Amino acid sequence: DGGITQSPKYLFRKEGQNVTLSCEQNLNHDAMYWYRQDPGQGLRLIYYSQIVNDFQKGDIAEGYSVSREKKESFPLTVTSAQKNPTAFYLCATLTGSGSYNEQFFGPGTRLTVL
Amino acid sequence: AQSVAQPEDQVNVAEGNPLTVKCTYSVSGNPYLFWYVQYPNRGLQFLLKYITGDNLVKGSYGFEAEFNKSQTSFHLKKPSALVSDSALYFCAVRDLGGYQKVTFGTGTKLQVIP
Repeated sequence: DGGITQSPKYLFRKEGQNVTLSCEQNLNHDAMYWYRQDPGQGLRLIYYSQIVNDFQKGDIAEGYSVSREKKESFPLTVTSAQKNPTAFYLCATLTGSGSYNEQFFGPGTRLTVL
Repeated sequence: AQSVAQPEDQVNVAEGNPLTVKCTYSVSGNPYLFWYVQYPNRGLQFLLKYITGDNLVKGSYGFEAEFNKSQTSFHLKKPSALVSDSALYFCAVRDLGGYQKVTFGTGTKLQVIP
């Protein structure tokens, strides 16, 4: 099956620790995104990548970092600089190329800081 | 800057009754509009999209949405609600002339009452 895999599903972190969330896709999609979801705030864009070795900051990039070394992978690192990291994190790709396409989402990772 | 507003945090409807989930948008150019649905602890699933053409767009699971340019609205509708439609619904917008950034609303929780 083609799709997006996010691991782990649940992640617990102590304050002051960095943690990396995995996002892997076998859809052959070029563009990939990371969103953060908090109750009542909808989805907020953290980082996005149009192609390999290229990525841009979204609306709330502070305290996060990403890499895009392979087309299939777009890992997100939540650093200790992120003051309130407890949230549900969603990875997405953009189906196909051109303008008339939509995003396809992974199942999400719920991060809890203890 | 583009934006999306979903004025209702929650919509309650009786099973079998028609439902409407409201969405208004703001973009500088022509809008590209989406509706997504999210079930608890899951990623978002694409329902439907409007690019151009017919103002009434049909999507998955019997949902449809009506585009109204003068009112800058894109309300989600279904003629007869099912209990299984209970979920969180997100409206999103992308400016067709812009980069591939999508802006999401804050979400509306739909509760269908048996």
